[in-house]
Amino acid sequence: DGGITQSPKYLFRKEGQNVTLSCEQNLNHDAMYWYRQDPGQGLRLIYYSQIVNDFQKGDIAEGYSVSREKKESFPLTVTSAQKNPTAFYLCASRFTGPLHEEAFFGQGTRLTVV
Amino acid sequence: SQQGEEDPQALSIQEGENATMNCSYKTSINNLQWYRQNSGRGLVHLILIRSNEREKHSGRLRVTLDTSKKSSSLLITASRAADTASYFCATDGNDYKLSFGAGTTVTVRA
Repeated sequence: DGGITQSPKYLFRKEGQNVTLSCEQNLNHDAMYWYRQDPGQGLRLIYYSQIVNDFQKGDIAEGYSVSREKKESFPLTVTSAQKNPTAFYLCASRFTGPLHEEAFFGQGTRLTVV
Repeated sequence: SQQGEEDPQALSIQEGENATMNCSYKTSINNLQWYRQNSGRGLVHLILIRSNEREKHSGRLRVTLDTSKKSSSLLITASRAADTASYFCATDGNDYKLSFGAGTTVTVRA
């Protein structure tokens, strides 16, 4: 089946640890995105990438890092520098090009700091 | 800061009634998109309206866009219990940055 897959669904992290969230898509999409969602809040953009080996900071990039070594994959690392990482993380992907089409979302990873 | 801001934050209506929510944004856009999110899930795309369009329909959904006022509205007609969800607008810039608002939570009472 074609789609965008995030793993794991739930993740627990001890304070001071880095943790990496996985996002994989087999839709042949060019662009990929990471968002953070806090309870009852909207989505805030962390990083996005339009093409392999290139990415841009979003509105809340501090304490996060990404890589885009393959078109299909856009992992997000939550570093120990992120002071309040407990949140719901959503990955999305879409085609680029003049039509600017819609984005497809994964089912999310819920990260909890213990 | 978030590009889009939805209004109202929450909306409770009776089944069969219409639901209207608004989105205001700050900078120029290529298009504006509306998404739906059921609790604890990913977002699902509903409808996209381009900057040169003023109105668009899809089933029971009607979206308007006023670029002079930098605002959009989403109307859901003849609401059903299954329409209970959060609805988000997203602005799409020419740089492919896709920015979301805080959302409107819609509750449809049976």
